[in-house]
Parts: sequence; C-alpha cells; structure tokens
Amino acid sequence: NAGVTQTPKFRVLKTGQSMTLLCAQDMNHEYMYWYRQDPGMGLRLIHYSVGEGTTAKGEVPDGYNVSRLKKQNFLLGLESAAPSQTSVYFCASRSGGEGLTTTGGYTFGSGTRLTVV
Amino acid sequence: KNQVEQSPQSLIILEGKNCTLQCNYTVSPFSNLRWYKQDTGRGPVSLTIMTFSENTKSNGRYTATLDADTKQSSLHITASQLSDSASYICVVSASPGGYNKLIFGAGTRLAVHP
Repeated sequence: NAGVTQTPKFRVLKTGQSMTLLCAQDMNHEYMYWYRQDPGMGLRLIHYSVGEGTTAKGEVPDGYNVSRLKKQNFLLGLESAAPSQTSVYFCASRSGGEGLTTTGGYTFGSGTRLTVV
Repeated sequence: KNQVEQSPQSLIILEGKNCTLQCNYTVSPFSNLRWYKQDTGRGPVSLTIMTFSENTKSNGRYTATLDADTKQSSLHITASQLSDSASYICVVSASPGGYNKLIFGAGTRLAVHP
C-alpha cells in the first residue's frame, strides 16, 4: 500500500518549458488536491478534484492546469513555466462521503521540488 | 481574511526537554483544527484533529489543546527525541459554502539537539 506517490521528485525547467507532475493514490480516495509550499508560507491550494472527471480551482490556480481522467491519478500541468513557479508541490488525497465538516485524514505525497530558471 | 499564524517560527531544544508550539487563527466558518508533522523532504503527516467541542487530544508524546473562544491552539511535546526535529504545521479546516478548505500556517521548525 504505497499511499500517495508523486513523480518526479525533482525537476529543473527553463522558463517557457512545459511539464506534467503526476500524482497517484492507491487508497480509492475520491478527493485529490494539488498544493504548493513556498518558504515562510503555508501550503496553498492550486486545484482540486472531488471525483473522477472533475476539477476545480483553488487559491492560486493561474499558470496551472489539471486533469483527473482516472480516479487514482491527478495530473498537474505547467504549460509555460515561470520562475515564480519555483516551489515544492504536494499532492494530497482523502476519502469522501463525510460531508463538509469531515475530520477525515488527508494523505500527502512526498513532494516534487521544481526549479524554474 | 482567513489566517493561521504560528509561533515561534523556529525553536531549538535539548533532547528530553518539553516544548509548546502556538497557533492562533481567524477562520470562519470553523470546522476543525489539525496539527501536522513535516519531516525535511517529506509531506505533512497528521498528528491530531480536533473539532469545535474538543479541548484536548493526545497522540503519544504529542498533546494538542484548542480554545475555540480565543481561537488558539497549542501543541505540547513531552520528553523530546531527536526524531521530533521537523516542522509542525497548524491547519484549520473551514467549510465556506461548498467545499472543505484547509488553511495552513507557515509552521514552526523544531530542532532537537542531543
């Protein structure tokens, strides 16, 4: 049982390049999230999904796109990378069906450290 | 504006000592408060989750308290170990009109020295 797996773990991009970050979970969770973590700041939500085939914008969605074609996978795309997107990206998942006041646990991946030069 | 503020930003203690980390929040509507531990190079791992009606919750040597009136929480670590060296993140869960939203504090970086 791997939990939440993120690939790649590290990547260096040149400004303007594109890439896709992959998040895979094997817990049959409904909800999946993409966050970014920057020094001195709390994690900020980029996009999220409440089920297969659904996506929604979070707090800082600009410059990113996502897709959830399969329940177990949540992809984060950068179409034209910018230095401001240098960050550590975390994927998380949780089970659904508990309503908005859920105390259900979020499971986080180990992160992808992305540097845009 | 929903905010979660943690203090101190960083802390150094000697192995075996106790410490307390603080969290103040202004989040509405409040759903629950979580403490996470994040080891260097890893994702956050849940320590405790407390709802509005819970004042305290323990997980081994970790004890979290919640005062919903003053909107403050603390995480007390007893008899610290070297493996406690990590960032501790306070996270408040809100439920604004549609989905369960997590508001993260910036974390307290704890270093436990032998």
